[in-house]
Amino acid sequence: GAGVSQSPSNKVTEKGKDVELRCDPISGHTALYWYRQSLGQGLEFLIYFQGNSAPDKSGLPSDRFSAERTGGSVSTLTIQRTQQEDSAVYLCASSGTNYGYTFGSGTRLTVV
Amino acid sequence: DQQVKQNSPSLSVQEGRISILNCDYTNSMFDYFLWYKKYPAEGPTFLISISSIKDKNEDGRFTVFLNKSAKHLSLHIVPSQPGDSAVYFCAASAISTGANSKLTFGKGITLSVRP
Repeated sequence: GAGVSQSPSNKVTEKGKDVELRCDPISGHTALYWYRQSLGQGLEFLIYFQGNSAPDKSGLPSDRFSAERTGGSVSTLTIQRTQQEDSAVYLCASSGTNYGYTFGSGTRLTVV
Repeated sequence: DQQVKQNSPSLSVQEGRISILNCDYTNSMFDYFLWYKKYPAEGPTFLISISSIKDKNEDGRFTVFLNKSAKHLSLHIVPSQPGDSAVYFCAASAISTGANSKLTFGKGITLSVRP
Protein backbone atom coordinates (compact mmCIF):
# COMPACT_ATOMS: atom_id res chain seq x y z
CA GLY A 1 0.00 0.00 0.00
CA ALA A 2 0.88 3.65 -0.13
CA GLY A 3 1.44 4.01 3.59
CA VAL A 4 1.79 2.09 6.82
CA SER A 5 -1.53 0.64 7.86
CA GLN A 6 -2.43 -0.26 11.44
CA SER A 7 -5.46 -2.04 12.78
CA PRO A 8 -7.55 -1.65 14.76
CA SER A 9 -7.43 2.12 15.10
CA ASN A 10 -9.01 1.87 18.55
CA LYS A 11 -9.23 -1.02 20.97
CA VAL A 12 -10.88 -1.17 24.37
CA THR A 13 -10.19 -4.30 26.34
CA GLU A 14 -10.76 -5.59 29.83
CA LYS A 15 -7.84 -5.97 32.18
CA GLY A 16 -6.39 -9.46 31.94
CA LYS A 17 -7.41 -10.07 28.33
CA ASP A 18 -4.96 -10.57 25.46
CA VAL A 19 -4.83 -8.18 22.50
CA GLU A 20 -3.25 -8.31 19.06
CA LEU A 21 -2.29 -5.22 17.12
CA ARG A 22 -1.51 -5.43 13.44
CA CYS A 23 0.86 -3.46 11.23
CA ASP A 24 1.09 -3.54 7.44
CA PRO A 25 4.30 -1.77 6.42
CA ILE A 26 5.08 -0.09 3.14
CA SER A 27 5.79 -2.72 0.51
CA GLY A 28 9.52 -3.32 0.15
CA HIS A 29 10.51 -1.69 3.42
CA THR A 30 12.91 -4.02 5.18
CA ALA A 31 12.80 -2.43 8.62
CA LEU A 32 9.75 -2.35 10.88
CA TYR A 33 9.49 -0.75 14.31
CA TRP A 34 6.96 -0.65 17.12
CA TYR A 35 6.77 2.30 19.48
CA ARG A 36 4.21 3.37 22.02
CA GLN A 37 3.20 6.73 23.38
CA SER A 38 1.67 6.83 26.81
CA LEU A 39 -0.18 9.92 28.02
CA GLY A 40 2.26 12.80 28.45
CA GLN A 41 5.22 10.74 27.36
CA GLY A 42 7.39 10.57 24.27
CA LEU A 43 7.69 7.74 21.83
CA GLU A 44 8.99 4.68 23.63
CA PHE A 45 10.82 2.11 21.52
CA LEU A 46 9.47 -1.43 21.84
CA ILE A 47 10.89 -3.71 19.12
CA TYR A 48 12.64 -3.53 15.75
CA PHE A 49 12.74 -5.99 12.85
CA GLN A 50 15.37 -5.69 10.14
CA GLY A 51 15.16 -8.11 7.24
CA ASN A 52 15.90 -11.67 8.32
CA SER A 53 17.99 -10.64 11.32
CA ALA A 54 16.95 -11.47 14.84
CA PRO A 55 14.66 -8.69 16.13
CA ASP A 56 15.88 -6.12 18.63
CA LYS A 57 13.50 -6.71 21.54
CA SER A 58 15.35 -4.51 24.00
CA GLY A 59 12.43 -2.11 24.45
CA LEU A 60 9.71 -4.60 25.34
CA PRO A 61 8.60 -3.67 28.88
CA SER A 62 7.76 -7.17 30.09
CA ASP A 63 7.42 -10.76 28.94
CA ARG A 64 3.71 -10.12 28.40
CA PHE A 65 4.71 -8.30 25.22
CA SER A 66 5.76 -10.12 22.07
CA ALA A 67 5.84 -9.41 18.36
CA GLU A 68 6.38 -11.28 15.17
CA ARG A 69 6.84 -10.37 11.58
CA THR A 70 5.68 -12.95 9.08
CA GLY A 71 7.29 -13.23 5.67
CA GLY A 72 9.19 -10.00 6.17
CA SER A 73 5.99 -8.01 5.85
CA VAL A 74 3.02 -7.85 8.23
CA SER A 75 3.77 -7.62 11.94
CA THR A 76 1.62 -8.43 14.95
CA LEU A 77 2.25 -7.05 18.44
CA THR A 78 0.65 -9.19 21.13
CA ILE A 79 0.05 -8.10 24.71
CA GLN A 80 -0.99 -10.86 27.07
CA ARG A 81 -2.92 -10.34 30.30
CA THR A 82 -3.28 -6.63 29.66
CA GLN A 83 -2.86 -4.17 32.52
CA GLN A 84 -4.12 -0.60 32.83
CA GLU A 85 -0.58 0.75 32.42
CA ASP A 86 -0.54 -0.80 28.93
CA SER A 87 -3.02 1.86 27.81
CA ALA A 88 -1.26 3.92 25.16
CA VAL A 89 -1.12 4.65 21.45
CA TYR A 90 0.90 1.92 19.75
CA LEU A 91 2.68 3.17 16.65
CA CYS A 92 4.23 1.11 13.91
CA ALA A 93 6.76 2.49 11.43
CA SER A 94 8.66 1.10 8.49
CA SER A 95 11.82 2.23 6.78
CA GLY A 96 13.46 1.55 3.44
CA THR A 97 16.86 2.63 2.24
CA ASN A 98 16.80 6.10 3.75
CA TYR A 99 17.07 6.86 7.42
CA GLY A 100 13.60 8.18 8.12
CA TYR A 101 10.55 6.31 9.26
CA THR A 102 7.05 6.33 7.85
CA PHE A 103 4.58 5.92 10.69
CA GLY A 104 1.10 4.50 10.70
CA SER A 105 -1.74 6.31 12.46
CA GLY A 106 -1.45 4.08 15.47
CA THR A 107 -3.74 1.91 17.57
CA ARG A 108 -5.17 3.55 20.67
CA LEU A 109 -5.39 0.84 23.32
CA THR A 110 -7.48 1.41 26.41
CA VAL A 111 -7.45 -1.19 29.17
CA VAL A 112 -10.41 -0.88 31.53
CA ASP B 1 17.84 7.75 31.41
CA GLN B 2 16.53 10.00 28.66
CA GLN B 3 19.05 10.26 25.86
CA VAL B 4 17.02 12.83 23.91
CA LYS B 5 15.51 15.67 25.90
CA GLN B 6 12.98 18.26 24.94
CA ASN B 7 12.77 20.20 28.16
CA SER B 8 9.98 22.59 27.24
CA PRO B 9 6.61 20.85 26.97
CA SER B 10 4.96 23.66 25.06
CA LEU B 11 5.55 26.84 23.08
CA SER B 12 3.13 29.52 21.93
CA VAL B 13 4.05 32.05 19.23
CA GLN B 14 2.27 34.66 17.17
CA GLU B 15 1.60 33.93 13.51
CA GLY B 16 4.40 35.33 11.34
CA ARG B 17 6.99 35.18 14.11
CA ILE B 18 9.81 32.68 14.52
CA SER B 19 9.30 29.43 16.42
CA ILE B 20 12.42 27.93 17.98
CA LEU B 21 12.15 24.38 19.29
CA ASN B 22 15.08 23.02 21.25
CA CYS B 23 16.46 19.54 21.78
CA ASP B 24 19.41 18.18 23.74
CA TYR B 25 21.00 14.75 23.61
CA THR B 26 23.45 12.88 25.78
CA ASN B 27 24.66 9.98 23.64
CA SER B 28 27.80 10.96 21.73
CA MET B 29 27.23 8.04 19.34
CA PHE B 30 24.25 9.83 17.81
CA ASP B 31 25.16 11.10 14.37
CA TYR B 32 21.84 11.67 12.65
CA PHE B 33 18.99 13.80 13.90
CA LEU B 34 15.43 14.20 12.74
CA TRP B 35 12.36 16.23 13.55
CA TYR B 36 8.88 14.78 13.29
CA LYS B 37 5.56 16.58 13.44
CA LYS B 38 2.42 15.00 14.84
CA TYR B 39 -1.20 16.08 14.58
CA PRO B 40 -3.82 14.55 16.91
CA ALA B 41 -5.00 11.07 15.88
CA GLU B 42 -2.30 10.80 13.24
CA GLY B 43 1.14 9.19 13.20
CA PRO B 44 4.24 11.40 13.28
CA THR B 45 5.42 12.62 9.90
CA PHE B 46 9.00 13.35 8.94
CA LEU B 47 9.85 17.04 8.73
CA ILE B 48 13.59 17.60 8.38
CA SER B 49 16.86 15.91 9.26
CA ILE B 50 20.53 16.71 9.71
CA SER B 51 23.68 14.65 9.68
CA SER B 52 26.42 15.29 12.21
CA ILE B 53 28.78 16.34 9.42
CA LYS B 54 26.66 19.47 8.97
CA ASP B 55 25.66 22.25 11.32
CA LYS B 56 22.66 23.52 9.40
CA ASN B 57 20.01 22.18 7.06
CA GLU B 58 17.29 24.28 5.53
CA ASP B 59 14.05 23.30 3.82
CA GLY B 60 11.69 26.14 3.05
CA ARG B 61 10.43 27.68 6.28
CA PHE B 62 12.19 25.01 8.36
CA THR B 63 15.84 25.10 9.41
CA VAL B 64 17.57 22.73 11.77
CA PHE B 65 20.78 23.77 13.52
CA LEU B 66 23.17 21.32 15.15
CA ASN B 67 25.78 22.19 17.77
CA LYS B 68 27.72 18.98 18.31
CA SER B 69 29.98 20.31 21.04
CA ALA B 70 26.94 21.30 23.07
CA LYS B 71 24.96 18.22 22.01
CA HIS B 72 22.13 20.56 21.11
CA LEU B 73 19.91 21.02 18.10
CA SER B 74 17.11 23.39 17.34
CA LEU B 75 14.34 23.67 14.79
CA HIS B 76 13.47 27.14 13.51
CA ILE B 77 10.19 27.80 11.75
CA VAL B 78 9.97 31.14 9.98
CA PRO B 79 7.41 32.52 9.50
CA SER B 80 5.19 30.45 11.79
CA GLN B 81 1.71 29.64 10.52
CA PRO B 82 -1.39 28.41 12.39
CA GLY B 83 -1.14 25.11 10.47
CA ASP B 84 2.21 24.52 12.14
CA SER B 85 0.39 23.95 15.45
CA ALA B 86 1.26 20.36 16.35
CA VAL B 87 3.52 18.26 18.56
CA TYR B 88 7.13 18.23 17.39
CA PHE B 89 9.41 15.33 18.26
CA CYS B 90 13.17 15.43 18.12
CA ALA B 91 14.79 12.07 17.31
CA ALA B 92 18.34 10.78 17.08
CA SER B 93 20.05 7.77 15.61
CA ALA B 94 23.52 6.24 15.50
CA ILE B 95 23.55 5.37 11.81
CA SER B 96 27.22 4.52 11.94
CA THR B 97 26.01 1.35 13.66
CA GLY B 98 24.08 0.43 10.53
CA ALA B 99 21.38 1.73 8.25
CA ASN B 100 17.85 1.70 9.63
CA SER B 101 19.11 1.73 13.20
CA LYS B 102 16.39 2.63 15.66
CA LEU B 103 15.48 6.19 16.51
CA THR B 104 15.42 7.52 20.04
CA PHE B 105 12.74 10.15 20.52
CA GLY B 106 12.26 13.02 22.91
CA LYS B 107 8.97 13.62 24.74
CA GLY B 108 7.83 16.20 22.21
CA ILE B 109 6.89 19.85 22.40
CA THR B 110 3.43 21.20 21.66
CA LEU B 111 3.62 24.25 19.42
CA SER B 112 0.66 26.60 19.23
CA VAL B 113 0.70 29.34 16.61
CA ARG B 114 -1.79 32.10 17.41
CA PRO B 115 -3.47 33.84 14.47
